[in-house]
Parts: sequence; C-alpha cells; structure tokens
Amino acid sequence: DVKVTQSSRYLVKRTGEKVFLECVQDMDHENMFWYRQDPGLGLRLIYFSYDVKMKEKGDIPEGYSVSREKKERFSLILESASTNQTSMYLCASSLQVARGADRYNEQFFGPGTRLTVL
Amino acid sequence: GQNIDQPTEMTATEGAIVQINCTYQTSGFNGLFWYQQHAGEAPTFLSYNVLDGLEEKGRFSSFLSRSKGYSYLLLKELQMKDSASYLCASSGGYQKVTFGTGTKLQVIP
Repeated sequence: DVKVTQSSRYLVKRTGEKVFLECVQDMDHENMFWYRQDPGLGLRLIYFSYDVKMKEKGDIPEGYSVSREKKERFSLILESASTNQTSMYLCASSLQVARGADRYNEQFFGPGTRLTVL
Repeated sequence: GQNIDQPTEMTATEGAIVQINCTYQTSGFNGLFWYQQHAGEAPTFLSYNVLDGLEEKGRFSSFLSRSKGYSYLLLKELQMKDSASYLCASSGGYQKVTFGTGTKLQVIP
C-alpha cells in the first residue's frame, strides 16, 4: 500500500512565524504535490515537484516555498505565516499508470494538516 | 487553469442511483479524474477517463464527452457509506491536475 504521511494533523501558529509542513512518501514516486483545501474553493495546487531539487509553481504559490532535497520528502514552508493561510494542507504523490496507450498520474494523498494561524 | 463546475450538494436515497455532473473547459484538456473524499479524510482515486464513453468499475461508472466538456459519475445501489464529497478534476498536462470544489453527497435511508 502507498503511504503518504504528513508531520502533523493539527498545528497552531502565530502570525509572522516560519512554518514547516513535512510530507513523506514510501513508494519511490517521482511527483509530489502540495494543495490547500478551503470550503467553497476546493483543492488548490500550491507547488509540485517532479524530481529531487525540482519545483514548479502551482496556482497559488504566493506566500509559500518548497524544498525537495530527497525523493521521498517534500516540504512546504510558510516564511511568515498570515491568518489567510489558515487552511487544510494536503500533500500528494503520484504514480504513473499505463492503461493501453494512455498514461496518467494517480495521486495518493496524505491525511492532511489542519493549520490555524492566530 | 481549467474552470470546473459541479453541483455543491446532492441528496439521494439508499439503494437508488445518483448521477453527479461535471463540466470543464476543453482547452488544453487531457483527461478527467474523479476522487472520493469522506469527511475529515484524504481524497482517494476513483476513476480516470481520457476517451469518450462510459467506464464501469463495480457500482461506480464514469462518463466523458470531450467535445462537450462534460463528465458524470454514476453511483448505483447507493449505500450509506457512499456519503462523501466527490471531486471532479481535469488534467491539462503530465502532472498538473485542477480540482473542482466537490459535490457533497448525502445518502439517506
């Protein structure tokens, strides 16, 4: 079974603090993703990485940075947390699936970190 | 991005059939995912459609019409455990997936 783990289920931080959210996957997946999920807005992609030390901006990268020093670990960093970053943060890794001539990436999600910034 | 529209909420009766619709922008479209997310849990993969037509997987089926930018998820013989949010997501490239806001399905006895 694929396992994606996140360092914390719940986190409370203060405005201005530097926050690290860690994600680890144990299936040697190339691709890893960070999303935030908010009511009425759904899952929005913050950053993704398709290889070690590689990163790509998603739809809402402002206020965030990422680090991928090892294949199994993808970290999300909030340099200076703000109250509008209070959210559920979901990490995912993906496996390429071959189905006939098709190729697609099935994403496996971690349990999420509910971050509250006061 | 690829704007995705799906109903916010639906209610259906145990044992019945329910269809959850999803529309998306067709420019740059590659394929369409459906994920299930129970309250307080992570999303889990249900299906992926890249060609037009219906794909059946047990009680769940997913349909795609590329020309119309339209998909639906069909759930048969509804069970109480099917109460969850169902996320439609479009793939516009190799890795990037854009999710809709999800449809919260409530199954009632």
